[in-house]
Amino acid sequence: QKEVEQDPGPLSVPEGAIVSLNCTYSNSAFQYFMWYRQYSRKGPELLMYTYSSGNKEDGRFTAQVDKSSKYISLFIRDSQPSDSATYLCAMTSGGGADGLTFGKGTHLIIQP
Amino acid sequence: SQTIHQWPATLVQPVGSPLSLECTVEGTSNPNLYWYRQAAGRGLQLLFYSVGIGQISSEVPQNLSASRPQDRQFILSSKKLLLSDSGFYLCAWDGGADEKLFFGSGTQLSVL
Repeated sequence: QKEVEQDPGPLSVPEGAIVSLNCTYSNSAFQYFMWYRQYSRKGPELLMYTYSSGNKEDGRFTAQVDKSSKYISLFIRDSQPSDSATYLCAMTSGGGADGLTFGKGTHLIIQP
Repeated sequence: SQTIHQWPATLVQPVGSPLSLECTVEGTSNPNLYWYRQAAGRGLQLLFYSVGIGQISSEVPQNLSASRPQDRQFILSSKKLLLSDSGFYLCAWDGGADEKLFFGSGTQLSVL
């Protein structure tokens, strides 16, 4: 079983829709969770950072962590064509970023 | 604010040629520095990380090496490139205070 599982997509939705991106993981020690957005041929950009369980909201983005289910989600409201990108989840138990485990990313396409 | 510079953006090299990719960070001191490789369908692979000048940890045995001659400079090198070295190379840094990782813009390396 891989440590972090993420559906590669592509996920194609119409503009304005609510998007749900997800990752599952197996290591119960993970407690720091991140979402990165990566445009084609660019470096990943940190989008959301969450510690432990719960929700965090930033504008149109909401990150949700359910440690009991080992499941994290990123919701995008009122999706825009500019949200088209690959979204990577990342997580670690702590002790530094060298312990970060990344998902392989979900390719999201927002149709105008 | 902190910025990370990585160059070149694109590089085409023949098999057997040497490689030198450079990364510098501005606006912070004593950062932890990382080199990742991203191959299609394989996700992000941590190659090297460094917690200080001259201190390099290798995550994967390979044809590549890294050096940190200055506090905010990280160099990825190879004496003889292989076809399998092709990929998207990313430099990243963290401030050591948390697990947030910040990436450069990446170098697309094609070995032909």
